[in-house]
Amino acid sequence: GAGVSQSPSNKVTEKGKDVELRCDPISGHTALYWYRQSLGQGLEFLIYFQGNSAPDKSGLPSDRFSAERTGGSVSTLTIQRTQQEDSAVYLCASSFGTGEYEQYFGPGTRLTVT
Amino acid sequence: AQRVTQPEKLLSVFKGAPVELKCNYSYSGSPELFWYVQYSRQRLQLLLRHISRESIKGFTADLNKGETSFHLKKPFAQEEDSAMYYCALSGPGGATNKLIFGTGTLLAVQP
Repeated sequence: GAGVSQSPSNKVTEKGKDVELRCDPISGHTALYWYRQSLGQGLEFLIYFQGNSAPDKSGLPSDRFSAERTGGSVSTLTIQRTQQEDSAVYLCASSFGTGEYEQYFGPGTRLTVT
Repeated sequence: AQRVTQPEKLLSVFKGAPVELKCNYSYSGSPELFWYVQYSRQRLQLLLRHISRESIKGFTADLNKGETSFHLKKPFAQEEDSAMYYCALSGPGGATNKLIFGTGTLLAVQP
């Protein structure tokens, strides 16, 4: 079946512009995660959604970052007033639930802020 | 603080040689430990997790709580093992299953 998909695959934007990154999780997966992979850094957790529960936003680096998940499926990560340090690969993952369920990752969106 | 440390950015070995990718963690409690792998131009995928106690593609990892380590080992490396390897942990501290990753080790297996 189809895996996690993300769009766009690449995004180049000018400093100060807003960007939206999209994630389509695997059908039936109730948990959705966003991570960021910066050059020279590991993967950093950003935000987590599980069903109708309030999202865990503890990893968002600043208030310029926000995310929503509509209808318990598709998620959008929005970065306002982008900065050069926001350049990274943004990864989305989904899982059937929490606990012992494996997280399946998407191909990522490479964001470059010029 | 929760932290995963992978001290080696690059590990280069010859085909058939043993491999050990190091991972140490810091966590108060009983975390779950994982190894993820990313082959060239492929997405990140789970290799193994400590609770499964499986051997995947010849790789094994043992959780050593005394040394807070979860090193990944393979007795005989193959060229197709060349990839980026990430150690990660998650824990019951909170309702999420978020993963805390190390910075990764690039394994290069030479012919």
